[in-house]
Amino acid sequence: GEDVEQSLFLSVREGDSSVINCTYTDSSSTYLYWYKQEPGAGLQLLTYIFSNMDMKQDQRLTVLLNKKDKHLSLRIADTQTGDSAIYFCAETLYSGGGADGLTFGKGTHLIIQP
Amino acid sequence: EAGVAQSPRYKIIEKRQSVAFWCNPISGHATLYWYQQILGQGPKLLIQFQNNGVVDDSQLPKDRFSAERLKGVDSTLKIQPAKLEDSAVYLCASSSGGETQYFGPGTRLLVL
Repeated sequence: GEDVEQSLFLSVREGDSSVINCTYTDSSSTYLYWYKQEPGAGLQLLTYIFSNMDMKQDQRLTVLLNKKDKHLSLRIADTQTGDSAIYFCAETLYSGGGADGLTFGKGTHLIIQP
Repeated sequence: EAGVAQSPRYKIIEKRQSVAFWCNPISGHATLYWYQQILGQGPKLLIQFQNNGVVDDSQLPKDRFSAERLKGVDSTLKIQPAKLEDSAVYLCASSSGGETQYFGPGTRLLVL
C-alpha cells in the first residue's frame, strides 16, 4: 500500500536554511505536496510538484524531487520564527478525472532556535 | 472567494453518544473529501465524493461512521456511537477537479 515517511523533528537556527525530507512508496504518484499546519489551525498548501518535474522554486521555497529514489525535499531559505509549524508531505494519483484523496506523512515539526 | 466552511469548530461528547459534522465546500467544487487527523499523525482520508456520489470510502469505518452529500453541495459526517479512539480533528476539503485540495479549519472532537 501507499506510505509516506518523514522525520518527526527538525531544529534550525533563525536565518539558516531548513531542509525537510520525505520518502514515498507509490511509484504511480502524480502530484506531491507540502502542507503547513500551525497549532490549532487547518492545513495550508505551500507548494506542489508534478511527478515529471525535478525542481520547483517559489520565493523562499524550493522543492526537489528524485523519482528514482522516491525522495522529496522542501528547502526553506532564511528560516524565520513564523516558519515554526508542522510540515506534511503528501501524495496523490491524478487520473484526469480528478485527484484521489491525499496520503500524508506524519509530519515534521520545524523548531526555530533564536 | 469564501473558503471551505466547517461546523462546529469544537465538540465534546461522551462515548456511545452520536455526533455530526457539517461541511460547506467552496462554491462550484464538485469533489469533497473528509479526513480524520489523530493527534500526532497526518490526516487520513475517510471518504471522497464526486458531486453526490461516493468515489472512495475504503477507509471509512462503516459500522459507526456515515457520510452523505445531498444535492452535491454540503456534506455531513456522522459518528454513531462514538468511541474514545474517535477523538481527532475532522477535516473537510474540496476541489474543482484539479490537483489542488482546499482544506477547511476542521472540527475538533473529544470523546470522553
